[in-house]
Amino acid sequence: GAVVSQHPSRVICKSGTSVKIECRSLDFQATTMFWYRQFPKQSLMLMATSNEGSKATYEQGVEKDKFLINHASLTLSTLTVTSAHPEDSSFYICSAPPSRDQETQYFGPGTRLLVL
Amino acid sequence: AQTVTQSQPEMSVQEAETVTLSCTYDTSESDYYLFWYKQPPSRQMILVIRQEAYKQQNATENRFSVNFQKAAKSFSLKISDSQLGDAAMYFCAVSGDSNYQLIWGAGTKLIIKP
Repeated sequence: GAVVSQHPSRVICKSGTSVKIECRSLDFQATTMFWYRQFPKQSLMLMATSNEGSKATYEQGVEKDKFLINHASLTLSTLTVTSAHPEDSSFYICSAPPSRDQETQYFGPGTRLLVL
Repeated sequence: AQTVTQSQPEMSVQEAETVTLSCTYDTSESDYYLFWYKQPPSRQMILVIRQEAYKQQNATENRFSVNFQKAAKSFSLKISDSQLGDAAMYFCAVSGDSNYQLIWGAGTKLIIKP
């Protein structure tokens, strides 16, 4: 199956700092990538859809200035949490549908963010 | 609006037995895909099985099979010969109406009793 990597897997930062999370499709190209947030014992909540070569599309209620998304290439999308606060602590997951099979999403292993 | 409902927050089954997880959905799309994803304690989302709505034949993947009832908008997952490694959260999802987004159910926690 298709492989998606995410880095870092875990990060602890101080309140007010920015954190960048990378999502890479390792063996396929992805024109679209999705960023999710997952709270404990809950389902995935879509934050935004990143599109290679254009601006990301954010879901209602997601602050685009706080969660900066850049889809730099067909294999890399980044999520930057700017001026992080404790309430931003969560599990962040990215996914990507291969361009050759866009109906199926493959998921990264997730990033656990803890803001102190 | 599209919705996915998983009415079983938690299910348990004896090892080697069969268990069925239920899922109902609502969509106005005529062509769509349905998925079951597994999320073990590692939290890595793993695709278990997918079903194209235009196909009448139920999808199967080894011990995993679905009962797809299109008219009833039902998409249940049957796990045969349950194994300890099947213990996880299981999420049902349907492809959205734009940009290949997925609409997710709330999940069912599956417990396997040894």
